[in-house]
Amino acid sequence: DAGVIQSPRHEVTEMGQEVTLRCKLISGHNSLFWYRQTMMRGLELLIYFNNNVPIDDSGMPEDRFSAKMPNASFSTLKIQPSEPRDSAVYFCAAGSQTGRNEKLFFGSGTQLSVL
Amino acid sequence: GNSVTQMEGPVTLSEEAFLTINCTYTATGYPSLFWYVQYPGEGLQLLLKATKADDKGSNKGFEATYRKETTSFHLEKGSVQVSDSAVYFCALYSGGGADGLTFGKGTHLIIQP
Repeated sequence: DAGVIQSPRHEVTEMGQEVTLRCKLISGHNSLFWYRQTMMRGLELLIYFNNNVPIDDSGMPEDRFSAKMPNASFSTLKIQPSEPRDSAVYFCAAGSQTGRNEKLFFGSGTQLSVL
Repeated sequence: GNSVTQMEGPVTLSEEAFLTINCTYTATGYPSLFWYVQYPGEGLQLLLKATKADDKGSNKGFEATYRKETTSFHLEKGSVQVSDSAVYFCALYSGGGADGLTFGKGTHLIIQP
């Protein structure tokens, strides 16, 4: 969906390097999710923001992972230091909780390869 | 807690075949149910949804009926096309923000010409 723009589309880095993934929201939403997708584990929720406030980060695998949402239209996911097992596709998704619908709009993802 | 179980893939069909992808769920209360589709190299997109028992969601020739008695939301299409090749995710939302949103592991569908 054009309302969620992720960058970069692809990132190749070496183990130990810092990686920053970015998510820009074009339309107004009150919730933002970071997901990680791998063949082995499928889609995993890493962290969830509501109205820019981190609500649930229990899915963040380790202290090496951190996420921020400084305003309603931008968020970052940082991995420092990166490890090969972090290789995955990372998705940002924006949601608008309306009654019984938590409909999500996904970005195109960032394919991360840590060598 | 909530959970969604989908049939494992890959599912390989010939063009114009009938498609069923099974999805069952466990949840507290009365969740909303969704099917998302992920085309190669893209993020997930909402395909269809149903918010209460016996509702039928439909889009692009795909259908799914919310069956509370069997806790199922199977995805069906009468005649698949090569362009339907993608990964399909069943999901539920039972309220309460992220805690209430649960995805299945996805089913990879391959349609051969």
